[in-house]
Amino acid sequence: GESVGLHLPTLSVQEGDNSIINCAYSNSASDYFIWYKQESGKGPQFIIDIRSNMDKRQGQRVTVLLNKTVKHLSLQIAATQPGDSAVYFCAENIESGGSYIPTFGRGTSLIVHP
Amino acid sequence: NAGVTQTPKFRILKIGQSMTLQCAQDMNHNYMYWYRQDPGMGLKLIYYSVGAGITDKGEVPNGYNVSRSTTEDFPLRLELAAPSQTSVYFCASTAGWGFSYEQYFGPGTRLTVT
Repeated sequence: GESVGLHLPTLSVQEGDNSIINCAYSNSASDYFIWYKQESGKGPQFIIDIRSNMDKRQGQRVTVLLNKTVKHLSLQIAATQPGDSAVYFCAENIESGGSYIPTFGRGTSLIVHP
Repeated sequence: NAGVTQTPKFRILKIGQSMTLQCAQDMNHNYMYWYRQDPGMGLKLIYYSVGAGITDKGEVPNGYNVSRSTTEDFPLRLELAAPSQTSVYFCASTAGWGFSYEQYFGPGTRLTVT
């Protein structure tokens, strides 16, 4: 099975609500995590990253939380907007021979209703 | 900067044909990656490269080959195309070790093998 997985394949929210997208990982050696946003017909786009020596990192309207005890991370989007509708992927990065090799989860589709 | 560019955008191949997917980046990134994305799924790593002249297999390398003769270019070769290779292919690059591991993705190549 995949080492990175998402609990909810689809999340529907109302515009203005806060969204929380979850991700579980299985490799305790992973030390770097990235969230990507993928809009229909486009390549993934970087949102935010977090290293394993951190529990929380904030960006513009987004916050990533990392819980290493239960190998779980989440992406929180504040005041969700229709433009946030997309598929969101978490990527677990594992060091291999001096380089980081990412493993992507299946993704969560976020649907924002106006 | 153009970022990561991919050609072609779309291609239809007959079973047994061969083709090369082109990928180029103008950010002087050391690391480059090829992924495939099947409908409703995450990205699977095919091959990656940590620098010119160095390539390595990812999770799903069978049926593909790569080369990295320059920092800028990372073509993916499909030999003897099979229907199972119908997918969207993304190329990505990142600065890598000592810098950022944020991956920049190209727009993708949608390949159909019939």
